[in-house]
Amino acid sequence: AQSVTQLDSHVSVSEGTPVLLRCNYSSSYSPSLFWYVQHPNKGLQLLLKYTSAATLVKGINGFEAEFKKSETSFHLTKPSAHMSDAAEYFCVVSDLGGGFKTIFGAGTRLFVKA
Amino acid sequence: DAEITQSPRHKITETGRQVTLACHQTWNHNNMFWYRQDLGHGLRLIHYSYGVQDTNKGEVSDGYSVSRSNTEDLPLTLESAASSQTSVYFCASSTIRQETQYFGPGTRLLVL
Repeated sequence: AQSVTQLDSHVSVSEGTPVLLRCNYSSSYSPSLFWYVQHPNKGLQLLLKYTSAATLVKGINGFEAEFKKSETSFHLTKPSAHMSDAAEYFCVVSDLGGGFKTIFGAGTRLFVKA
Repeated sequence: DAEITQSPRHKITETGRQVTLACHQTWNHNNMFWYRQDLGHGLRLIHYSYGVQDTNKGEVSDGYSVSRSNTEDLPLTLESAASSQTSVYFCASSTIRQETQYFGPGTRLLVL
């Protein structure tokens, strides 16, 4: 069965410090993995995606994520947080098993303190 | 520029009324999706379509219907609105099944 778990519902960091948002997934097929960001009262915007090419994926705004098949993880990181990074982040897994399924994680809200 | 739009952006209705939320995309994408977003649940798939005349039920399809008469539009209808359908609704589209989805700005629906 396909699933995605975001391990933290809230993460708080200080501006200029590293960001780590954790995501574990389960998929019986070769999945595509995504991170989306949602700013308040906005739609979701793609940050980055993994589709079986390089395991280290670079996205927009300095974010990157590493696909680790052995750990079934796809954690999102950024070396230095900015106030504008405060938002909700969703980890998403998509595969073609049993038809087409895309599953969204419950989201992690990132707070950035000045 | 291509885009995906939703209307209305905000809607208040009463229980039992029929409500239709519009979604229009100019990406020329074959795939279109409707999600609802509720606190603690992330996004849950309501219905999706892989092309004209194709519609499929998602995880939470009860009480909702869609139709796809052209590539650009996938309206979502609440047949008889219920308070449990108070939510934020997002429409999305994509080129192929495992590719990036592009999201609309959302419709905030309140059912009283």
